[in-house]
Amino acid sequence: GQNIDQPTEMTATEGAIVQINCTYQTSGFNGLFWYQQHAGEAPTFLSYNVLDGLEEKGRFSSFLSRSKGYSYLLLKELQMKDSASYLCAVMDSNYQLIWGAGTKLIIKP
Amino acid sequence: KAGVTQTPRYLIKTRGQQVTLSCSPISGHRSVSWYQQTPGQGLQFLFEYFSETQRNKGNFPGRFSGRQFSNSRSEMNVSTLELGDSALYLCASSQGQEPYEQYFGPGTRLTVT
Repeated sequence: GQNIDQPTEMTATEGAIVQINCTYQTSGFNGLFWYQQHAGEAPTFLSYNVLDGLEEKGRFSSFLSRSKGYSYLLLKELQMKDSASYLCAVMDSNYQLIWGAGTKLIIKP
Repeated sequence: KAGVTQTPRYLIKTRGQQVTLSCSPISGHRSVSWYQQTPGQGLQFLFEYFSETQRNKGNFPGRFSGRQFSNSRSEMNVSTLELGDSALYLCASSQGQEPYEQYFGPGTRLTVT
């Protein structure tokens, strides 16, 4: 079956760096997505990786290793507004998105 | 560009009734996907429509159905509602080809009593 694993919850301090990991087993691979979802709101797109390596976008970076079925989202200079759930999703061979359950990130002052 | 819109935003129905939810994608987007989100289950994929054709389908019973119109607007129907259908229903639009990122609407909160 298809599976996306990510930690349920993480806690970090304002101003620090946090890395949220995602491992996947899917039928084929056509890219990996990270989304941010604040409580009570819809998910918003953060990043897309289809080739191995690091993609940097401001304070957020996303890394992919296809051979290891592994990705991480790196958040730098954490701000209180970064408190949210972070969803990892993989597009399989049928171009269907398979979603992880999400990682709830709690930022403490 | 206007974002994805969903109507209604909130809905209360009783068991056994049916409901229709509507989604208008971003202009120019041809793909609409529907998801069910509950606190313990995360995002569960219902189906995806691309150019009026169902392109992908998740593992939901036949009570859940959808369609897409020529203007890319989509509707989702749930018949014979059950208590367990209470959830946030999200629709997301994308171009349906690269880039594949999806843009979500605000969702419809369905409560079944």
